[in-house]
Amino acid sequence: AQKVTQAQTEISVVEKEDVTLDCVYETRDTTYYLFWYKQPPSGELVFLIRRNSFDEQNEISGRYSWNFQKSTSSFNFTITASQVVDSAVYFCALSEAIANYGQNFVFGPGTRLSVLP
Amino acid sequence: DGGITQSPKYLFRKEGQNVTLSCEQNLNHDAMYWYRQDPGQGLRLIYYSQIVNDFQKGDIAEGYSVSREKKESFPLTVTSAQKNPTAFYLCASSRSFRTGRQETQYFGPGTRLLVL
Repeated sequence: AQKVTQAQTEISVVEKEDVTLDCVYETRDTTYYLFWYKQPPSGELVFLIRRNSFDEQNEISGRYSWNFQKSTSSFNFTITASQVVDSAVYFCALSEAIANYGQNFVFGPGTRLSVLP
Repeated sequence: DGGITQSPKYLFRKEGQNVTLSCEQNLNHDAMYWYRQDPGQGLRLIYYSQIVNDFQKGDIAEGYSVSREKKESFPLTVTSAQKNPTAFYLCASSRSFRTGRQETQYFGPGTRLLVL
């Protein structure tokens, strides 16, 4: 069975610090996708990134970067020079295909990030 | 503007009452989903639908029902059988995954259900 672990329940940093959110996953499939979502206080989940299991290249988007390592089953998310607006709950998710039913999407428990001014 | 709308934003339920949460999308997505989120918890799948007139139970379907009569709409009814309905409910949609691709799910703003 697939599983997503986000061991950090809550993290607090001071503005401009860098912060890394950890995500470790378990799956038996060789083909799967990993996602990160941001949930600000308003509640809506905002899609940040999708990465497939065959693409281990790290990705950078502005202050955000993602490190995917299949060898350790990890897909970590780093925010550089954090800002107060980054305060939110961040979810890592894993998706794998299910024959005839499509995809099985599993979310981690989330990490609450608080960026203090 | 394409997106997913959910209404109402807040909903109050009395004992023994059924209530229906609305979810509409204009993204032309085939697949739609309902999730429940409890305070400090992750998301749990209630129901999902790949196509009109078809839906499947998720991990916590008991006490809930859905319909998918139109591509754009996937309402969720919380029945009186759901003994602990207080939670935040999120609707999502994605392009069809019947092709074998695994698509990104996009979320609505959510409905917060409270029991009186």
